[in-house]
Amino acid sequence: AQSVTQLDSHVSVSEGTPVLLRCNYSSSYSPSLFWYVQHPNKGLQLLLKYTSAATLVKGINGFEAEFKKSETSFHLTKPSAHMSDAAEYFCVVGLPGGGFKTIFGAGTRLFVKA
Amino acid sequence: DGGITQSPKYLFRKEGQNVTLSCEQNLNHDAMYWYRQDPGQGLRLIYYSQIVNDFQKGDIAEGYSVSREKKESFPLTVTSAQKNPTAFYLCASSLELAITGADTQYFGPGTRLTVL
Repeated sequence: AQSVTQLDSHVSVSEGTPVLLRCNYSSSYSPSLFWYVQHPNKGLQLLLKYTSAATLVKGINGFEAEFKKSETSFHLTKPSAHMSDAAEYFCVVGLPGGGFKTIFGAGTRLFVKA
Repeated sequence: DGGITQSPKYLFRKEGQNVTLSCEQNLNHDAMYWYRQDPGQGLRLIYYSQIVNDFQKGDIAEGYSVSREKKESFPLTVTSAQKNPTAFYLCASSLELAITGADTQYFGPGTRLTVL
């Protein structure tokens, strides 16, 4: 079965320290992988996506993610957290095939302390 | 300025009422989607539409209905049959139906529905 697991429901970091948000997926196919960010009471915004090109993907606001097929992971990182990064982050798997098959992770809430 | 708009931002419903949430896009996208978001559960797909006059049920369609009479509009009706409608509703669109899995979805700002 296809699935996506965000390993932490909450992550707390201090401003200026690195951010790591973990995502593992399960898929029989070669998936597309996305990270979206959602600020409170707002819609989701695309941070970055992987679609079988370079395994290290750079996104907006200094975020990047690395696709590791052997580990079935797509972890999101940022070298230095900013207060404005506090939000909820969703890892999403897009699967090829008939119909529409996109699976959202449950989300990771990122807290940034001053 | 292209994008997706949803209205209203907040909506209150009495028991037994039907309410309709609006979603409009000017991105010239063919595909549109409705999601429901509950705390700690991520997003769940209610309905999606690949093209005008066509729509398909998602994972949690019971108690909801949609129409797609125009390319730019995809309204969602929450009927009285939906037993627990209090949630945050998000509309999204993509250039075409993401059958490759690779299409980016663009999201509206959401509507928060509360049942009184």
